[in-house]
Amino acid sequence: DTGVSQDPRHKITKRGQNVTFRCDPISEHNRLYWYRQTLGQGPEFLTYFQNEAQLEKSRLLSDRFSAERPKGSFSTLEIQRTEQGDSAMYLCASSLTAGISDTQYFGPGTRLTVL
Amino acid sequence: DAKTTQPPSMDCAEGRAANLPCNHSTISGNEYVYWYRQIHSQGPQYIIHGLKNNETNEMASLIITEDRKSSTLILPHATLRDTAVYYCIVANAGGTSYGKLTFGQGTILTVHP
Repeated sequence: DTGVSQDPRHKITKRGQNVTFRCDPISEHNRLYWYRQTLGQGPEFLTYFQNEAQLEKSRLLSDRFSAERPKGSFSTLEIQRTEQGDSAMYLCASSLTAGISDTQYFGPGTRLTVL
Repeated sequence: DAKTTQPPSMDCAEGRAANLPCNHSTISGNEYVYWYRQIHSQGPQYIIHGLKNNETNEMASLIITEDRKSSTLILPHATLRDTAVYYCIVANAGGTSYGKLTFGQGTILTVHP
């Protein structure tokens, strides 16, 4: 257990529905990252926050995806109008900016299945 | 971000050292080498990282060549629980991409009894 928690661990939804995932980082960590991992592939970066500011978004993050970190603590990732191609593991990671080395610790992930 | 090259798979006998190689010939001066592993259906687990010097912690050792173009992760006494996908990543330590990890395909390490 790294101290990063994600909820829910599994989500099954029907195409077209909206889903929201939550990530609680390690408490003093100021950076929070979202990644997506499809079967047989390594995780792919989606977006990251420093405190409450969203500083970078991948081109993978289409208009149907939105992420927030309103108070610089937990974060949510929402997918609107889900598609079957959204089926994946969604991973959250957090880090504490200290010097120039930035070690990320990952949560267990939320596995999304879109039927 | 620099790219890394790893063998797709490796085998190791339980109790023996596992040596996982990684090539990162285009690494730049401010990029760190990170190693993570991922056991089936779990989130990636941080193992170790380094810039220039060799590093050791309770999990593994990291040997980085003097020119920094390659590295080796060493698990000194592999156990069955070390069976996982191992990712070697070089990460930029500056600019707006600071901290973003770019995962490749990794090396599937299988530890045999």
